[in-house]
Amino acid sequence: QKEVEQNSGPLSVPEGAIASLNCTYSDRVSQSFFWYRQYSGKSPELIMSIYSNGDKEDGRFTAQLNKASQYVSLLIRDSQPSDSATYLCAVRGFTGGGNKLTFGTGTQLKVEL
Amino acid sequence: GAVVSQHPSWVICKSGTSVKIECRSLDFQATTMFWYRQFPKQSLMLMATSNEGSKATYEQGVEKDKFLINHASLTLSTLTVTSAHPEDSSFYICSARAGAYEQYFGPGTRLTVT
Repeated sequence: QKEVEQNSGPLSVPEGAIASLNCTYSDRVSQSFFWYRQYSGKSPELIMSIYSNGDKEDGRFTAQLNKASQYVSLLIRDSQPSDSATYLCAVRGFTGGGNKLTFGTGTQLKVEL
Repeated sequence: GAVVSQHPSWVICKSGTSVKIECRSLDFQATTMFWYRQFPKQSLMLMATSNEGSKATYEQGVEKDKFLINHASLTLSTLTVTSAHPEDSSFYICSARAGAYEQYFGPGTRLTVT
């Protein structure tokens, strides 16, 4: 079982719709959760961080964390073509290499006109 | 968010030569810096973790004598690819973290070894 799992996609949504990206993780003691956006040929850009159960909203983005289910998600409201990118879920915990992020393989999002 | 810079953004070098890549945290002090490599259409691969003033910790399979990392200050880390070969051609990305929280990536350096 991979430590951080994401559906590779592509996930296609029409412009203006809500895009829902999901991520599950295997390490129960994970404490910090991040969503990065990576455009093709570019480096990852941090868009959300979440540390406690529940929802965290920032503009059009909402991160949701459920530690009991070991599940973190990212909702993008009013999706725009410029949101088309690969979204990476990253998790950091305390076991083993607790100092470093473990990344999922990413979900490719395509927002269509 | 915090800003991390990298230099150069791209470099072409001949096989057998060495290349140094600089990574700077511009508006915060980075207690920990990370170096990643990414091949086309593949995931990020962590190469090493470095803390200021300490030796870098390399991931399994990464040759520490080939990829020299120096984290001389809280704002600067360097990666030197020694005796580069075409298979070292990749996208190298540094990342910096202040304290225990968020980690920010530099824009990356595209290395081509001919």
